[in-house]
Amino acid sequence: EVQLVESGGGLVQPGGSLRLSCAASGFTFSSYAMHWVRQAPGKGLEYVSAISSNGGSTYYANSVKGRFTISRDNSKNTLYLQMGSLRAEDMAVYYCARGATVVTPLDYWGQGTLVTVSS
Amino acid sequence: SSELTQDPAVSVALGQTVRITCQGDSLRSYYASWYQQKPGQAPVLVIYGKNNRPSGIPDRFSGSSSGNTASLTITGAQAEDEADYYCNSRDSSGNHLMVFGGGTKLTVL
Repeated sequence: EVQLVESGGGLVQPGGSLRLSCAASGFTFSSYAMHWVRQAPGKGLEYVSAISSNGGSTYYANSVKGRFTISRDNSKNTLYLQMGSLRAEDMAVYYCARGATVVTPLDYWGQGTLVTVSS
Repeated sequence: SSELTQDPAVSVALGQTVRITCQGDSLRSYYASWYQQKPGQAPVLVIYGKNNRPSGIPDRFSGSSSGNTASLTITGAQAEDEADYYCNSRDSSGNHLMVFGGGTKLTVL
């Protein structure tokens, strides 16, 4: 069974940093691209970042470019999102999701982890 | 434009057919994917490609596309279909990798 479990969310002050993790199991992690999608409270889905299966290609939404870094450790079956210079508008539930490539549908999603940015 | 536009809300009587639409320039080049999200839960992929359903998705869900519009049709809507539905596709403008529509809240009456 495919499982994606996010962790690392929590309360952080504006300007602070946080690292999210997504532990994958039930599939060959190194064969799939991985994605981060977020959802602000009461709002819709926003695409955040993607990384290719071998980590060689990464993508960022303009809203997070230069502040967030996506990475993966295929030996640990884990996806990461290092978030810096956090703003109030970054407050959201962050989901990790799997895709065959960086541009194909997201066929499995984790349950999400909440990031709260507040002083 | 890199936007995908959806109606904010749609309603359907129990057992009837409903169509949820998604408009955007990207849809002239790429298929839409559709995700169902119930309150407090993660999104679930329900339709992808020309008209493909992942394993476990009921066959009352179907997808179609014409021009710059993609549609998700639920034939014989059930109470458990009440949810938010999001379309998603690659972005043809080059500004983004992938884009989501704003979502449609489906109410089953």
